Amino acid sequence: GAGVSQSPRYKVAKRGQDVALRCDPISGHVSLFWYQQALGQGPEFLTYFQNEAQLDKSGLPSDRFFAERPEGSVSTLKIQRTQQEDSAVYLCASSLTDGRNTEAFFGQGTRLTVV
Amino acid sequence: AQRVTQPEKLLSVFKGAPVELKCNYSYSGSPELFWYVQYSRQRLQLLLRHISRESIKGFTADLNKGETSFHLKKPFAQEEDSAMYYCALRTSGTYKYIFGTGTRLKVLA
Repeated sequence: GAGVSQSPRYKVAKRGQDVALRCDPISGHVSLFWYQQALGQGPEFLTYFQNEAQLDKSGLPSDRFFAERPEGSVSTLKIQRTQQEDSAVYLCASSLTDGRNTEAFFGQGTRLTVV
Repeated sequence: AQRVTQPEKLLSVFKGAPVELKCNYSYSGSPELFWYVQYSRQRLQLLLRHISRESIKGFTADLNKGETSFHLKKPFAQEEDSAMYYCALRTSGTYKYIFGTGTRLKVLA
């Protein structure tokens, strides 16, 4: 497909369980973002990659959250020891460059429910 | 701190009526402003960006630096405009997009 693909679309995790969320960006896109969207809120920035380099992880809420993009394409967001407050939609976006006014293309998101 | 404020969570208008979705931002430098839209069961997608000064699906938005606003307007709403609208700010020198909390637009027949 031509768009950003995320998997799984839905994930139910028991509290304390580890989860891994995958993002396949648009081929050739340099920039990749992860966002967290809680119910009724706008997307909140988590982290940013330029190719394989994680340039900004200031939005990661705790050290239980970890993201990687080892080969500059697919990215994985890992959450360890999930808590109920981690329940949210996790959005991945990619853009061709990091230049000014560049459009970010979003995936469908992964809805994580921690029970 | 950089912030985007969308004061209305829900805006209901009748078909054919004018629409204005409000967006105010807090940033002292040169901002990049965007409007993203999410239709039911679809992904978030770009509607327009201030630099383009274009009209997309009849929507326009003008950046007013004096009022730090980037309101989205359409003179005649259509039912297919019903969606969630997010205003986003990108600050110079950074890469992240800062989103508002969104406004749900409902266009009534």
